[in-house]
Amino acid sequence: DQQVKQNSPSLSVQEGRISILNCDYTNSMFDYFLWYKKYPAEGPTFLISISSIKDKNEDGRFTVFLNKSAKHLSLHIVPSQPGDSAVYFCAASGSGNTPLVFGKGTRLSVIA
Amino acid sequence: DTAVSQTPKYLVTQMGNDKSIKCEQNLGHDTMYWYKQDSKKFLKIMFSYNNKELIINETVPNRFSPKSPDKAHLNLHINSLELGDSAVYFCASSQEGGWGETQYFGPGTRLLVL
Repeated sequence: DQQVKQNSPSLSVQEGRISILNCDYTNSMFDYFLWYKKYPAEGPTFLISISSIKDKNEDGRFTVFLNKSAKHLSLHIVPSQPGDSAVYFCAASGSGNTPLVFGKGTRLSVIA
Repeated sequence: DTAVSQTPKYLVTQMGNDKSIKCEQNLGHDTMYWYKQDSKKFLKIMFSYNNKELIINETVPNRFSPKSPDKAHLNLHINSLELGDSAVYFCASSQEGGWGETQYFGPGTRLLVL
């Protein structure tokens, strides 16, 4: 039972355009959401997060939007750069001692 | 100046063997984790340790035994390896273990069981 779903395994975007990566979750107890970025042969690295009390968090070119009623979040990257090409994992956690739950990831390719 | 390091990076072994993967973090974090990324690409928590004490054990077979000699190290020992153990294993750490905290991941150990 996938509690965190990233339904698009891959996405291709032209350099300079906006990349939108989507994530859906099923557990209404999740209250903290994170995006991790992963290059080949490396571990995931933290990118940006959002708590359930917010609906938007921005950090430079990266913005995460949260729609709690739809149990949906998205990561926007604008403008997209070739160096953004990586696998992006959505992750979610609840309060207390609950483990971080990851989606399967979306592979983003930014084409120059 | 690696924050979270794992050895070995690659491990190829026969079914039935026993093997260990080592993890070290130099971030001064209190909590360390082991994750498994299987062939379907899901990244799933296996264990977490806080200050050498086991916090989370997510229904992992008891052939897997984590060992934390000190809070900077969390090693994973696997007995009687099976084909299904083939995966990438990631070690991670975080400051205190709160689940909203950023976790810092190692580069992964690619285990192939033949």
